[in-house]
Amino acid sequence: DIQMTQSPSSVSASVGDRVTITCRASQDINNWLAWYQKKPGQAPKLLIFAASSLESEIPARFSGSGSGTDFTLIISSLQPEDFATYYCQQAKIFPYTFGQGTKLEIK
Amino acid sequence: DVQLLQSGGDVVPPGGSLRLSCEVSGFTFSSHAMTWVRQAPGKGLEWVSAISARGIPTYYADSVRGRFTISRDNFKNTLYLQLNSLRDEDTAVYYCASYASGSRFSGGIGWFDRWGQGTMVTVSS
Repeated sequence: DIQMTQSPSSVSASVGDRVTITCRASQDINNWLAWYQKKPGQAPKLLIFAASSLESEIPARFSGSGSGTDFTLIISSLQPEDFATYYCQQAKIFPYTFGQGTKLEIK
Repeated sequence: DVQLLQSGGDVVPPGGSLRLSCEVSGFTFSSHAMTWVRQAPGKGLEWVSAISARGIPTYYADSVRGRFTISRDNFKNTLYLQLNSLRDEDTAVYYCASYASGSRFSGGIGWFDRWGQGTMVTVSS
């Protein structure tokens, strides 16, 4: 199975900050990577697919990049509603696997 | 409006069985592959199973293969997950979700854009 490793596991930031979350795959997944936002009591929300494509109705402050084994999610200017846990998912091959999550907390 | 309405979660003893349902409206269910993802308390997301738009093939995580069965009824616009031989470690919120346009189920390429509200399965004696 492909292992997905996110860093950091948690990060504290303030409204207006720029935040970068990284995700590393244990083998080449081309650009078959998705990012999700998860809030307690809510379903996951798709943010980015195919590594860098922004899902419909997701604000442009979210962006993704990378290919192969190394990927990045950037939130350019944090808003209060962005405090949540973020997960990457390799979308190349069964079984799909998620990173362990990055919890974004208010500083 | 798109809606994935989940039901079936419950408290069951170890070794017990349960069937989860996910009734879809607002999009053409029969055109989309579907999946189940779960989240154990305090843990991350774990992919469980997936099914093609027509019902075969199906895929499973190693942790549930042989115990869980995914199926669908395209006439009832409903996705199912039959959970048998339940273990403590199956305790989780289970989410159904649809494959997004642009995914290629036959090639194993998949991300998920529409999700149910989740249903809690607790395995406890």
